[in-house]
Amino acid sequence: DSGVTQTPKHLITATGQRVTLRCSPRSGDLSVYWYQQSLDQGLQFLIQYYNGEERAKGNILERFSAQQFPDLHSELNLSSLELGDSALYFCASSVSYSGGETQYFGPGTRLLVL
Amino acid sequence: EDKVVQSPLSLVVHEGDTVTLNCSYEVTNFRSLLWYKQEKKAPTFLFMLTSSGIEKKSGRLSSILDKKELSSILNITATQTGDSAIYLCAVAAGAGSYQLTFGKGTKLSVIP
Repeated sequence: DSGVTQTPKHLITATGQRVTLRCSPRSGDLSVYWYQQSLDQGLQFLIQYYNGEERAKGNILERFSAQQFPDLHSELNLSSLELGDSALYFCASSVSYSGGETQYFGPGTRLLVL
Repeated sequence: EDKVVQSPLSLVVHEGDTVTLNCSYEVTNFRSLLWYKQEKKAPTFLFMLTSSGIEKKSGRLSSILDKKELSSILNITATQTGDSAIYLCAVAAGAGSYQLTFGKGTKLSVIP
């Protein structure tokens, strides 16, 4: 158990809908990272927040957005869902954003868009 | 664009064998290379290698970073069925943030 929690574990929804994925980082970690894992693309970095502020953006679609709250939990919002958004979404956390320290991953949310 | 390539993509061995997994990278402003093991769900951390720590060992697993060749290997000796998993290599690079660029992984199957 990495100490990173994610809810829900599974989500089934229809195309065009909007969902929110939630992540709580390990105690003491200030950075949160979101990744998408699909069969053909592997693990892809989406976005990073550090202490409430956006730090880096990867291959995140405009339909997706995220935020980190004062208590350091983070939410990833996915809207106008398409079939191709079906994937495993992971959250990871680390102490800071410098030093190249280890990122610890949560159990993931499996999203299925029908 | 940062790139991480792992080989082989898939490997089947018998219990007791020794395996070597490869990872090569092309990134700007390399900071560290990490190995993760992914069984059913979340990747679990194995090792982090940096310029100041190019060799790590834990039990039957060991890893070496070759900064000259821009590559790393992960060795597993005396493999067990519990080692069956996807092994992911990731590189942290860039200035100001430490997003990880992952390889596609090596799927290791250990058969009794």
